[in-house]
Amino acid sequence: QVQLQEAGPGLVKPSQTLSLTCTVSDGSISSGGYYWTWIRHHPGKGLEWIGYMSYNGRASYNPSLKSRVSISVDTSKNHFSLNLSSVTAADTAVYYCARVNGWGASDSWGQGTLVTVSS
Amino acid sequence: EIVLTQSPGTLSLSPGERATLSCRASQSVSSSNLAWYQQKPGQAPSLLIFGASNRATGIPDRFSGSGSGTDFTLNINRVEPEDFAVYYCQQYGGSPPVTFGQGTRLEIK
Repeated sequence: QVQLQEAGPGLVKPSQTLSLTCTVSDGSISSGGYYWTWIRHHPGKGLEWIGYMSYNGRASYNPSLKSRVSISVDTSKNHFSLNLSSVTAADTAVYYCARVNGWGASDSWGQGTLVTVSS
Repeated sequence: EIVLTQSPGTLSLSPGERATLSCRASQSVSSSNLAWYQQKPGQAPSLLIFGASNRATGIPDRFSGSGSGTDFTLNINRVEPEDFAVYYCQQYGGSPPVTFGQGTRLEIK
């Protein structure tokens, strides 16, 4: 069973860039048929899709975040990363990484990491 | 944008009762690309149903999904105490590629 684990700072200052990494274990990020995605959960609200990336570089982003977000994959380290620039308090959320299967469903998730945007 | 609207917002039931959760899409969604998730407090969501009606690995058969087009349903037969949680539907393949419903909270009556 593939395992995913998010890592990164829990506190980011306004206007800075939020950077998170998701390490994949017990499975290869280069496995065909999967995408790798970031999803966030604002406190007291629902889930928001941020974007996804395939191991070979095919990416798609939420239009509401597209100008500020990038996702990259490092197959040598078996991890993928999220960068979200120019953050504000509205970006405070629990950030999850997950694996997306061929049905478009996220079948394995990291435990999530809380990122707070505050000065 | 495909908007998914879940109803009811909150469902209050007693253990042993049947739960019926609805997910309505603003445009037709391929049945292949409709999923349901369960999220408990402090935990990541977990996949219950993919392809509208296929149970994920390890999901008990009291959970079932159905529907097509714009109307999808998650049923839980004989709700167990561990089933009280928030449930989300999600579509894939529309524009934008992924959207979630706002969630239905299943609470103990």
